[in-house]
Amino acid sequence: DSGVTQTPKHLITATGQRVTLRCSPRSGDLSVYWYQQSLDQGLQFLIHYYNGEERAKGNILERFSAQQFPDLHSELNLSSLELGDSALYFCASSGGLQAQETQYFGPGTRLLVL
Amino acid sequence: AQTVTQSQPEMSVQEAETVTLSCTYDTSESNYYLFWYKQPPSRQMILVIRQEAYKQQNATENRFSVNFQKAAKSFSLKISDSQLGDTAMYFCAFMTGSGQNFVFGPGTRLSVLP
Repeated sequence: DSGVTQTPKHLITATGQRVTLRCSPRSGDLSVYWYQQSLDQGLQFLIHYYNGEERAKGNILERFSAQQFPDLHSELNLSSLELGDSALYFCASSGGLQAQETQYFGPGTRLLVL
Repeated sequence: AQTVTQSQPEMSVQEAETVTLSCTYDTSESNYYLFWYKQPPSRQMILVIRQEAYKQQNATENRFSVNFQKAAKSFSLKISDSQLGDTAMYFCAFMTGSGQNFVFGPGTRLSVLP
């Protein structure tokens, strides 16, 4: 158990819908990262938040957005969902800002868009 | 843009034997970090080992060690005394020193055979 929690574990929805994925980092960790793992694109970095502020953006679509709240939990919002958005979405947390810090991954949210 | 290549989609090794997973990367950055992550069937992402590019000494973590060849942009993972629990997908990953970009390779599926 990494100490990072993600809800829900599974999510099934239809094209065009909007969903919110939630991540609670390890106690004391200020950084939260979001990743998408799909069959055709592999594992991709989406976005990084540190202490409530966006720090880096990866391959995140404009239909996707994220935020980190004062209690440090984070939410990833996916809208106008397409079949290709079906994937395993991970969040990870680390203590601070240093690039080399160990990231602890949550168990992931499996999203299926029908 | 940084890229990470893992040329071995699948590998197998007998229990107690040694296996080496290869990884090459491409970057123009001078300051960066390299990682090997393990993803067992549970889909949990687990950090195996980490290497700072500025360190010449190869990182070692128990049965896991790397061969970091900076000039050749190569970062292979050696697993000694393979155990059944090592069966997993292994991802090589690159992070820029600023933490602004985190790129994963396509993965190598390792099976440890009894």
